[in-house]
Amino acid sequence: GAVVSQHPSRVICKSGTSVKIECRSLDFQATTMFWYRQFPKQSLMLMATSNEGSKATYEQGVEKDKFLINHASLTLSTLTVTSAHPEDSSFYICSASLPGLAGGLVNEQFFGPGTRLTVL
Amino acid sequence: SQQGEEDPQALSIQEGENATMNCSYKTSINNLQWYRQNSGRGLVHLILIRSNEREKHSGRLRVTLDTSKKSSSLLITASRAADTASYFCATVPADSWGKLQFGAGTQVVVTP
Repeated sequence: GAVVSQHPSRVICKSGTSVKIECRSLDFQATTMFWYRQFPKQSLMLMATSNEGSKATYEQGVEKDKFLINHASLTLSTLTVTSAHPEDSSFYICSASLPGLAGGLVNEQFFGPGTRLTVL
Repeated sequence: SQQGEEDPQALSIQEGENATMNCSYKTSINNLQWYRQNSGRGLVHLILIRSNEREKHSGRLRVTLDTSKKSSSLLITASRAADTASYFCATVPADSWGKLQFGAGTQVVVTP
């Protein structure tokens, strides 16, 4: 199956610093990538949808200036948590989807292994 | 927003037993997917069932979909200790262009 990687897997940073998380599709070109956030023992909350070459679409309540997303190529999307605070500590997961069938609908998302962010 | 509601929230069974978990959703969907997550890891796609399908099998997994009741079930037969994980259903709403909406998940523990 398609493989998606994330880097780093874990990061600890001081409050006020910015952290960049990379999401790569290793063996396919992903037209769309998604970023999720997951708190302990909770479900995944979609943060934003990222399309290569265009601005990301953020879900309601997600600050676009706080969570900067860049989808510079068909295999790489980055999420930068700017001026991180302890409440930003979470598990961030990306996914990449293959181009959909006729009609443009994507069918399956391939998930990265996640990045554990701890802000002190 | 979360669309799927799953029950039970937690399930503890012994090896060899079957595990059944249910998912309900609120809006019309394009398809429904089930994922598995081991603790602290990413998600693994298990199975996708389209809105015009009623049942699907994959190995020891059986998924049903009842669009009239807006519900789905995942059955794991002859469970193994390695099946211990959290299981999430996720719907692709009909107008969402592929965005997944996840349920709260069911934590399954299979004891040897």
